[in-house]
Amino acid sequence: DTGVSQDPRHKITKRGQNVTFRCDPISEHNRLYWYRQTLGQGPEFLTYFQNEAQLEKSRLLSDRFSAERPKGSFSTLEIQRTEQGDSAMYLCASSLGQATKGFFGPGTRLTVL
Amino acid sequence: GQQVMQIPQYQHVQEGEDFTTYCNSSTTLSNIQWYKQRPGGHPVFLIQLVKSGEVKKQKRLTFQFGEAKKNSSLHITATQTTDVGTYFCGNYGGSQGNLIFGKGTKLSVKP
Repeated sequence: DTGVSQDPRHKITKRGQNVTFRCDPISEHNRLYWYRQTLGQGPEFLTYFQNEAQLEKSRLLSDRFSAERPKGSFSTLEIQRTEQGDSAMYLCASSLGQATKGFFGPGTRLTVL
Repeated sequence: GQQVMQIPQYQHVQEGEDFTTYCNSSTTLSNIQWYKQRPGGHPVFLIQLVKSGEVKKQKRLTFQFGEAKKNSSLHITATQTTDVGTYFCGNYGGSQGNLIFGKGTKLSVKP
């Protein structure tokens, strides 16, 4: 499979716990994006990378959220001290540069109890 | 960053009727992309428009980019039940060129 993959697909956690998600983009894509999507809403931008550099973070992204892309390949998104409001689908997408087709992964659905 | 607004939020049609969703911006867009998200699925790229006044067709789908590059539309002729889903417009905007999306138009088709 040469598409974008995400792991895990589902995560259930208790409030206050830390969670980490992984995204593997299409191998030659230098751009990687993280989004959060809640029911009935569009993908809400969180952050994105060009190679290993994190170029932009949404102002909505609290200090509990951190993302890395250490070697410019896969990326991780960590949420510390999860809150019930963090429950959402977390989508990863990749593209080959700006203004090119974006490919989305299947998402990680987070449920915070 | 550049924000795109989509209307309507929901559209319910009878199978065979046409459907149109609109994407509007207060600023000039360098490009516009359209994605479809089926229920329970993830967004899938449909098309990208970059030129003023550009029109592209994919079977029953017609995509337009306004002359002023501030709006775009997606028109589906004779909807089918397979067209059900949410249609999003997206744009490479922002200070660093990130990809941002509108809130989408959810299409339901009654057979």
